[in-house]
Amino acid sequence: GESVGLHLPTLSVQEGDNSIINCAYSNSASDYFIWYKQESGKGPQFIIDIRSNMDKRQGQRVTVLLNKTVKHLSLQIAATQPGDSAVYFCAEKTPGNQFYFGTGTSLTVIP
Amino acid sequence: NAGVTQTPKFRVLKTGQSMTLLCAQDMNHEYMYWYRQDPGMGLRLIHYSVGEGTTAKGEVPDGYNVSRLKKQNFLLGLESAAPSQTSVYFCASQTREEQYFGPGTRLTVT
Repeated sequence: GESVGLHLPTLSVQEGDNSIINCAYSNSASDYFIWYKQESGKGPQFIIDIRSNMDKRQGQRVTVLLNKTVKHLSLQIAATQPGDSAVYFCAEKTPGNQFYFGTGTSLTVIP
Repeated sequence: NAGVTQTPKFRVLKTGQSMTLLCAQDMNHEYMYWYRQDPGMGLRLIHYSVGEGTTAKGEVPDGYNVSRLKKQNFLLGLESAAPSQTSVYFCASQTREEQYFGPGTRLTVT
């Protein structure tokens, strides 16, 4: 089966600092990747996505980097705010349209 | 536009009881999914549907059945609940590639 893993289960950052959350995926044929944010008691919320033909995509305060050589995905959050505290996880989509999700990294922003 | 809704939000069942979880979406999406989320594990796909009247098995389908009689609804059934089915269940619907998730149903089987 698929294996989508996150390098660190928890991450604490000072408010205003940048956060970097990492993810490893296993299927080199996966063609689409998503980062989700999940707050306690809520469903996952889409943050940003990237297709396999790209290596970087920027959104508002967030950037996703894709390194297909080492099958690695990262999420960068600029100027992290207390409202960013949540669990973040990545997902990969295989050509068969199956989604596989990582276990998540818990981000805590220290005021 | 409510997006994806799930009912109920919480439920406690006894072993052997049955129940149905309802997922509804008002975005006219073809694809719908049922996942379960357990501590320390990523979301795992139970069943999915690529359109009205169609269903398919996901990664962990045993003990569950689904139906997609109407495009906007995707039902997840547990015929004989087991403690191992204690989990948080999420429904999602999909546009071209992005999945939209519901708020979840927290199910406890005692």
